[in-house]
Amino acid sequence: QGQQVQSGAEVKKPGASVKVSCKASGYPFTSYDVNWVRQAPGRGLEWMGWMNPDSGHTGHAQKFQGRVTMTRDTSINTAYMELSSLTSEDTAVYYCARDVYDSSGHSYFDYWGQGTPVTVSS
Amino acid sequence: DIQMTQSPSSLSASVGDRVTITCRASQTIGTYLNWYQHKTGKAPELLIYATSRFLSGVPSRFSGSGSGTDFTLTISSLQPEDFATYYCQQSFSHPRTFGQGTKVEIK
Repeated sequence: QGQQVQSGAEVKKPGASVKVSCKASGYPFTSYDVNWVRQAPGRGLEWMGWMNPDSGHTGHAQKFQGRVTMTRDTSINTAYMELSSLTSEDTAVYYCARDVYDSSGHSYFDYWGQGTPVTVSS
Repeated sequence: DIQMTQSPSSLSASVGDRVTITCRASQTIGTYLNWYQHKTGKAPELLIYATSRFLSGVPSRFSGSGSGTDFTLTISSLQPEDFATYYCQQSFSHPRTFGQGTKVEIK
């Protein structure tokens, strides 16, 4: 049974950066894309971006252009998402999720991390 | 970007009720539509992928239908553990946009 374990809660000041980790186990880490999703208080789920752990290729939602960096360390099966220039609007729970493709090309997020709360406050 | 619009935003229902949630895409997405259940304090969980397919362990009271731009999630007989927020998500293209969510509350 695969799982993804994320790093702990963070409190940051406006303008700072935060780096969240997502450690995968129970499946071949480089075989599945990792996606990042967040939920701000009282808001819905918001897709942020994806990374292919094998190639390191990434993509992200336009609103995070220039602020989000997704990386990985394949030696320890861990993906990272770093968000810079934080504002109060970035206060949210951040999730990583494994992206699976079935034989017909449909994809879905099956394994999710437990979530990492990030609070941005002065 | 493909916009996903769910309705209603919230609903109140009783145990045993039949519940239907709709999701509309701003452009055709074939059957590239997933549904997730999200309970407070927990990670979202996949319910249905590719409009109507299931992974093992999802109760049979959940079903999905639709194609193109209009999709439906149906809970045939609402159970106490089903009170949660439900999200549709398109997997047709990046960005993998979610609907705004439908909160199912106890009447």
